[in-house]
Amino acid sequence: GENVEQHPSTLSVQEGDSAVIKCTYSDSASNYFPWYKQELGKRPQLIIDIRSNVGEKKDQRIAVTLNKTAKHFSLHITETQPEDSAVYFCAASISSNTGKLIFGQGTTLQVKP
Amino acid sequence: EADIYQTPRYLVIGTGKKITLECSQTMGHDKMYWYQQDPGMELHLIHYSYGVNSTEKGDLSSESTVSRIRTEHFPLTLESARPSHTSQYLCASSGIGADIQYFGAGTRLSVL
Repeated sequence: GENVEQHPSTLSVQEGDSAVIKCTYSDSASNYFPWYKQELGKRPQLIIDIRSNVGEKKDQRIAVTLNKTAKHFSLHITETQPEDSAVYFCAASISSNTGKLIFGQGTTLQVKP
Repeated sequence: EADIYQTPRYLVIGTGKKITLECSQTMGHDKMYWYQQDPGMELHLIHYSYGVNSTEKGDLSSESTVSRIRTEHFPLTLESARPSHTSQYLCASSGIGADIQYFGAGTRLSVL
């Protein structure tokens, strides 16, 4: 079955710096890759997603890139702010019929003021 | 307001008790999911449902059971709670032909 590996498990950056989180997936049939942000004590919330027919997607300070050949995708956060501090999860999905997501292990991002 | 509602938000119970965690969504979604998550850790899928009367086990073995009698309601039951069940349980849903999952606020369960 599908497996998603996420790195690093923790990441600490200075405010204003960029942060990059990487994920690899095993099933080449995966076609949907969302990223969720979970603040302490809160529910996971979708921040950006990408489908397999697109190589890059950007939304203000957040971007996601996808390399289908290498089976990996990355989250890029530029000009980080303290409110970006949270746990970030990547995920992969094979089928929109099931909507089943396989999540990565999570990355705890700390942005130091 | 369209949302996913989970009750209770917090639950402390003794070993051996039967409990039901409630999840209801007003999103009009057909698919629903239950995840188990220790604080800040990986989300493990324990049950999911494509629609009424359809339930499947997830990737993480769980002693819980679920039912889907109504589209909007997906309760999770533990027949005999144990300390190893202490965790957060998150309910999610997604719409027809869509993969985006929306999460409820979760139930934090503590079994003494």
